[in-house]
Amino acid sequence: GQNIDQPTEMTATEGAIVQINCTYQTSGFNGLFWYQQHAGEAPTFLSYNVLDGLEEKGRFSSFLSRSKGYSYLLLKELQMKDSASYLCASTTNTNAGKSTFGDGTTLTVKP
Amino acid sequence: DVKVTQSSRYLVKRTGEKVFLECVQDMDHENMFWYRQDPGLGLRLIYFSYDVKMKEKGDIPEGYSVSREKKERFSLILESASTNQTSMYLCASSLGGGASPYEQYFGPGTRLTVT
Repeated sequence: GQNIDQPTEMTATEGAIVQINCTYQTSGFNGLFWYQQHAGEAPTFLSYNVLDGLEEKGRFSSFLSRSKGYSYLLLKELQMKDSASYLCASTTNTNAGKSTFGDGTTLTVKP
Repeated sequence: DVKVTQSSRYLVKRTGEKVFLECVQDMDHENMFWYRQDPGLGLRLIYFSYDVKMKEKGDIPEGYSVSREKKERFSLILESASTNQTSMYLCASSLGGGASPYEQYFGPGTRLTVT
């Protein structure tokens, strides 16, 4: 299966750096997505990792270790608007179109 | 600009009613999805369609059916609504047909209450 584990909640301070971890089952693993979802809104795409290593996109970076079944999303220079839920989602080789989502990590950024 | 629209933002139905949730995308995407999102349970896949008239069950298809007669439209049907189907329903679409997955674009969601 593709069970996804991520922390339920995290709190961080404006201007700081926060790392949101995600673990997944490696059997048949293809790639990993991160989405952001503000309260009452739809999820929006942040990043996709298929190879090991770090992908940087402005203040947000995402890391993948295929052998460890581990990913993290790194948010730098936190802003109040980064308060949201962050969803980790994995895909498999057998059906590249589908993703299995984790329950999401609710990040609260405090002044 | 990429757009996925859903027919209603809020819907209230009675137990036993047949409910239709409509989703339309304007991006010519092959794949379309229906999810429900509940607190503490995350986003769960109900049904998935990778082409017109093609569908595949997701993780929780019981009590639901779907229809995809045109590429841009994917409908979710609750045959006989029950209170445990009260939830936020999210539609999504993505490109398809390759070995690599593509990101999904989500609609705004329909909050369905069954009384």
